Amino acid sequence: DADVTQTPRNRITKTGKRIMLECSQTKGHDRMYWYRQDPGLGLRLIYYSFDVKDINKGEISDGYSVSRQAQAKFSLSLESAIPNQTALYFCATSDYYGTGQETQYFGPGTRLLVL
Amino acid sequence: QQQVKQSPQSLIVQKGGISIINCAYENTAFDYFPWYQQFPGKGPALLIAIRPDVSEKKEGRFTISFNKSAKQFSLHIMDSQPGDSATYFCAASRSDKLIFGTGTRLQVFP
Repeated sequence: DADVTQTPRNRITKTGKRIMLECSQTKGHDRMYWYRQDPGLGLRLIYYSFDVKDINKGEISDGYSVSRQAQAKFSLSLESAIPNQTALYFCATSDYYGTGQETQYFGPGTRLLVL
Repeated sequence: QQQVKQSPQSLIVQKGGISIINCAYENTAFDYFPWYQQFPGKGPALLIAIRPDVSEKKEGRFTISFNKSAKQFSLHIMDSQPGDSATYFCAASRSDKLIFGTGTRLQVFP
């Protein structure tokens, strides 16, 4: 089984709808991240969480919210989806050892289309 | 603001050739510089990484060259193979999160 899973893998929704993307991990990592990937823009950080009680905004958090339900689960919500939120969304995890050399492990991605 | 600038956006190389991808950063507080490789339909995965206290790191056909004074680093893929065709992201970090470049799509033709 994959260490980092994302559901759904593909989603089509309409403008104004609320949707949730879910991420689960079996790596036992404390740190979890949500990114979006757009052609020519690379990976941009939406939100990140260093433990269950810690939530931080990333570079592009407007229009998004997150919930860290447990160490293993981190969900991303679009409260009212708009077409420019059409993108590929990735969840990632990492374990921090204080060396500054953490590796992030990415899920397979969710392709979202907002009509 | 783009803290990590990556070029080129796309690269076409013949099998056996050398692929070179360049990145530049602005924040001198960055202390870790990884490269991630992403195949179509997959999430990115760590390929190779370097700390700023060394100028070069080599792992097989992949080499990172690091120029601290110029605030630049690059990925060299020697003897490029069709299986290396993927998108490559450079990144920079200072202990809490990664800042990614915009990505380079590499295509290696037989």
